[in-house]
Amino acid sequence: DAGITQSPRHKVTETGTPVTLRCHQTENHRYMYWYRQDPGHGLRLIHYSYGVKDTDKGEVSDGYSVSRSKTEDFLLTLESATSSQTSVYFCAIASNTGELFFGEGSRLTVL
Amino acid sequence: AQSVTQPDIHITVSEGASLELRCNYSYGATPYLFWYVQSPGQGLQLLLKYFSGDTLVQGIKGFEAEFKRSQSSFNLRKPSVHWSDAAEYFCAVGANTGRRALTFGSGTRLQVQP
Repeated sequence: DAGITQSPRHKVTETGTPVTLRCHQTENHRYMYWYRQDPGHGLRLIHYSYGVKDTDKGEVSDGYSVSRSKTEDFLLTLESATSSQTSVYFCAIASNTGELFFGEGSRLTVL
Repeated sequence: AQSVTQPDIHITVSEGASLELRCNYSYGATPYLFWYVQSPGQGLQLLLKYFSGDTLVQGIKGFEAEFKRSQSSFNLRKPSVHWSDAAEYFCAVGANTGRRALTFGSGTRLQVQP
C-alpha cells in the first residue's frame, strides 16, 4: 500500500463546469503524476510534479491544470469540463527505485 | 520518443494453460520495463520490473518476463493460468532519471475459460 488516496472516486458533471480531483499521499514522495485511462489508449500522462510548486506537462495536458502547494497533495483541475474528458483518472507516485504506485482511480463523467 | 506496443488487444486461454503476453518497446537508452495488472474497477498493481542484470525476472502471482534487447521485447509469461488471472495487463517503459514517468502500452485483456 503506497498510501495514495484519490477523491472523489466518482463524479458526474455537466459540460462547462469546473472540476477538481485530489490526490493525497502519506509517504512524502517527491514525484507525483496524473494519468487518464481510456479504452484502447492505456494510460496517458496529463501532468506531473517533481516537488512543491514544480509541475510540468505530459502528453495530453490540453484542458487541464495542476497545482501542488504541499508535498502530500496534487490537484488536477478541469477549468471547463468537456465530454472528451470523460475518463478514469489515476494518480501515481514514483518510488525511489523507479516504479510507479497508483491510486484507485477517479471516474469522471461529463454530460 | 519512447513508446510501447502490445499487439494483442484480447487473449483467451483455458485455465491451466500457459500464457505469453507480448510487449515491444522503443526507447533511446537502457529502459526500465514494467508489467502491471488491473482487475475491473481497480487500480494498477505492479507484477514485476526489469532494471538491469538477469534478463529473466520473476514477479508476483507466478509471473515472469524476459527482456530481449535484440528484439526490443519484454514478454510476460505464466506456465499455468488460474481463473483469477483474468484482468487487463499493461506493459510500461521508463527511466529512473528525468521526470520518471512511465509510458504505457494500450493493454491486453486476458479472459480465462474454465
